[in-house]
Amino acid sequence: DAGITQSPRHKVTETGTPVTLRCHQTENHRYMYWYRQDPGHGLRLIHYSYGVKDTDKGEVSDGYSVSRSKTEDFLLTLESATSSQTSVYFCAISEAGLNYGYTFGSGTRLTVV
Amino acid sequence: GENVEQHPSTLSVQEGDSAVIKCTYSDSASNYFPWYKQELGKGPQLIIDIRSNVGEKKDQRIAVTLNKTAKHFSLHITETQPEDSAVYFCPVTDKLIFGTGTRLQVFP
Repeated sequence: DAGITQSPRHKVTETGTPVTLRCHQTENHRYMYWYRQDPGHGLRLIHYSYGVKDTDKGEVSDGYSVSRSKTEDFLLTLESATSSQTSVYFCAISEAGLNYGYTFGSGTRLTVV
Repeated sequence: GENVEQHPSTLSVQEGDSAVIKCTYSDSASNYFPWYKQELGKGPQLIIDIRSNVGEKKDQRIAVTLNKTAKHFSLHITETQPEDSAVYFCPVTDKLIFGTGTRLQVFP
């Protein structure tokens, strides 16, 4: 998807284990976002970044942390996965933030058993 | 807080008919109004957008109209095709909010 890749594409993990999802971009965009998508809830923002080491919380940030040590990588970590975190996770990038379009990755389907 | 409402939540049309999806928002300072299309198993894709200084924008079979006074903007798809079947989102960008979308089904 236009210079943005997510890994892994699928993951099954056990409750209580740590999980890290990776978003990698080759567009040199400043803004990066993590969303989760669940039936009946649409897309909900977890965390976003507006530059290297600059991150902020979204509406559903509890249980998640992020890191951005390089422009191209934005990591989402579930410190101790719970079944409620079973979801499809999408990363998105944006050249200049709110008033510009996003490019989304293909998603990571995470199942916590 | 900020909210975005899309109508209808589901829409079924016959191939060749037109489809209209409306998005209403409250108390937004946003000046940018995009529409995204999400096909099954894929991430959302930007299909068209409009800025507040423009009332309408067209791109082939799709168009977006904006009524900032009434706080709503609409997606219009003409001559619908089966490949238009997807979920469509109108995020409120100044709050990074995506709603639940509209599921459009186009029957051959």
